[in-house]
Amino acid sequence: GAVVSQHPSRVICKSGTSVKIECRSLDFQATTMFWYRQFPKKSLMLMATSNEGSKATYEQGVEKDKFLINHASLTLSTLTVTSAHPEDSSFYICSAPGTRGEKLFFGSGTQLSVL
Amino acid sequence: GENVEQHPSTLSVQEGDSAVIKCTYSDSASNYFPWYKQELGKRPQLIIDIRSNVGEKKDQRIAVTLNKTAKHFSLHITETQPEDSAVYFCAASRVRTNFGNEKLTFGTGTRLTIIP
Repeated sequence: GAVVSQHPSRVICKSGTSVKIECRSLDFQATTMFWYRQFPKKSLMLMATSNEGSKATYEQGVEKDKFLINHASLTLSTLTVTSAHPEDSSFYICSAPGTRGEKLFFGSGTQLSVL
Repeated sequence: GENVEQHPSTLSVQEGDSAVIKCTYSDSASNYFPWYKQELGKRPQLIIDIRSNVGEKKDQRIAVTLNKTAKHFSLHITETQPEDSAVYFCAASRVRTNFGNEKLTFGTGTRLTIIP
């Protein structure tokens, strides 16, 4: 099946720094990538949808200047958490529809801890 | 937008018994309903899904039922085993022909514990 590779799996950073998370589709072209955030013991909340070649669409309440999304190619989407603060500590996970468009394939997730 | 509610939030069942988790959705345009199993710190794993043109689907010990009129769908796990213990999420989305899956909205999750 389709594989989405996500890196890094875990990152610890100081408050005020920026962190970049990468998601790559390894054996298919992902024209769309969904970015989710999951707080402990909570559900996955959609943050934004990135589309190759156009601007990302952000969900209500998500600051686009803080969570920069770039869909640079058909196989790479990145999320940059700028000026991270402790409240940004969360599990971030990407997912992309496969070539048939129905099922979503998830990255392995990134656990971000901001000190 | 879509709103998905899920019940119960926690569920404990004796090993070998059945577990049922229920979800309701709000957007009548949703036509794709997957169920995921997630272990701590891991990605969600798709365990079964159903399209809106089908009322029931079964895969070994797992089944899903869908009532489009009432906008609710349920996950049924029979002959539960300790390895079924995890958090389960339902989800809903609209899949459009030639456009693929639009955003998936997740339920709030159910922590299932199988008691040996």
